[in-house]
Amino acid sequence: NAGVMQNPRHLVRRRGQEARLRCSPMKGHSHVYWYRQLPEEGLKFMVYLQKENIIDESGMPKERFSAEFPKEGPSILRIQQVVRGDSAAYFCASSPANGSPLHFGNGTRLTVT
Amino acid sequence: TQLLEQSPQFLSIQEGENLTVYCNSSSVFSSLQWYRQEPGEGPVLLVTVVTGGEVKKLKRLTFQFGDARKDSSLHITAAQPGDTGLYLCAGAGNFGNEKLTFGTGTRLTIIP
Repeated sequence: NAGVMQNPRHLVRRRGQEARLRCSPMKGHSHVYWYRQLPEEGLKFMVYLQKENIIDESGMPKERFSAEFPKEGPSILRIQQVVRGDSAAYFCASSPANGSPLHFGNGTRLTVT
Repeated sequence: TQLLEQSPQFLSIQEGENLTVYCNSSSVFSSLQWYRQEPGEGPVLLVTVVTGGEVKKLKRLTFQFGDARKDSSLHITAAQPGDTGLYLCAGAGNFGNEKLTFGTGTRLTIIP
């Protein structure tokens, strides 16, 4: 029973490039959450999605960041025109329903050079 | 903005000793969760406490939720090297787990 799968595990981008982070939730889970963890800081909520719907994006920066969870395929967190401050570990979590425990993936570590 | 402060930030103790980690906030949470995170991995849920004053035990780990549901503690008895890791508390609001507020973390090292 595969857990939450994130890829790539490590991603290096130059300033100004685009970063695409993928998350496949656990089988049977239709709720996906993205969190960001900066060095020596706790995880910060970014966005909560269900299939084809963004439920809560109050933690997402207003510019350059977007997320989707299409009917088919993984959830995608997209960061356009990356800057050094975007360097962080991005974690995806999934659950079968709101209120159920979250299962986290192992994260994508983004480094912007 | 809800904030969760954890203390201590770093803790290094000898194998066999006992320890307590604290998670404090000025905000009320509907539930509080404790996670452990290993280097290079995502957080793994240890326990969820829901009721004010609730105490849950998981082998050598004892979790307590404050009466006012603003704070929590994690007590480890007879610590072992396998307990080494980053411990995170996270508070949930009234609408479920969709927007957890994570604490700053306690990095625990158990010395054999």
